[in-house]
Amino acid sequence: AQTVTQSQPEMSVQEAETVTLSCTYDTSESDYYLFWYKQPPSRQMILVIRQEAYKQQNATENRFSVNFQKAAKSFSLKISDSQLGDAAMYFCAYRSGDNYGQNFVFGPGTRLSVLP
Amino acid sequence: ETGVTQSPTHLIKTRGQQVTLRCSSQSGHNTVSWYQQALGQGPQFIFQYYREEENGRGNFPPRFSGLQFPNYSSELNVNALELDDSALYLCASSDLDRVGEQYFGPGTRLTVT
Repeated sequence: AQTVTQSQPEMSVQEAETVTLSCTYDTSESDYYLFWYKQPPSRQMILVIRQEAYKQQNATENRFSVNFQKAAKSFSLKISDSQLGDAAMYFCAYRSGDNYGQNFVFGPGTRLSVLP
Repeated sequence: ETGVTQSPTHLIKTRGQQVTLRCSSQSGHNTVSWYQQALGQGPQFIFQYYREEENGRGNFPPRFSGLQFPNYSSELNVNALELDDSALYLCASSDLDRVGEQYFGPGTRLTVT
């Protein structure tokens, strides 16, 4: 079974600074996808960024980028120019390439605080 | 905001009772997944429905059951409620052919006393 670990229960960053959230995962599969989701206090989960395992290039979405290290099974999220609205729980998630179930395995989350 | 809605927003039940939670999927989506999120934890996969059929199940007992309707909306039913069932229940809708495009609803907060 796949597992996702986020070793930082809480992180804080000054507004306009950069922060990196860590995620490691364990799998024996070669075809899979990785995601970062954001869950603000209002609860609705929002997709931040995704990475296909077969792609060597790291995904980027505006101020959000990932550092995908397939051999190390590491998938960190970098948030640049942090904004107050970035404060939320961040979940790293894994999905098998197999369409059956299409279930996501989530990590325990990292609570990010943004300090003005 | 996504186009996924859930009802009710909050619910309080007594141990041993039964509960039904509802989810309306986003237009054009044929798949609904249900997750249980205990306080301070990540979501745990319960099961998924694709075109009205169960398409995968997590490590949850049979008293957790579901349905998907022809319009792709879905219900989660939990029988014989236990205190540990207290959690936020999230549904997510997607098109099975589009990986990653899973849109979450706001959740239903269930409290079992």
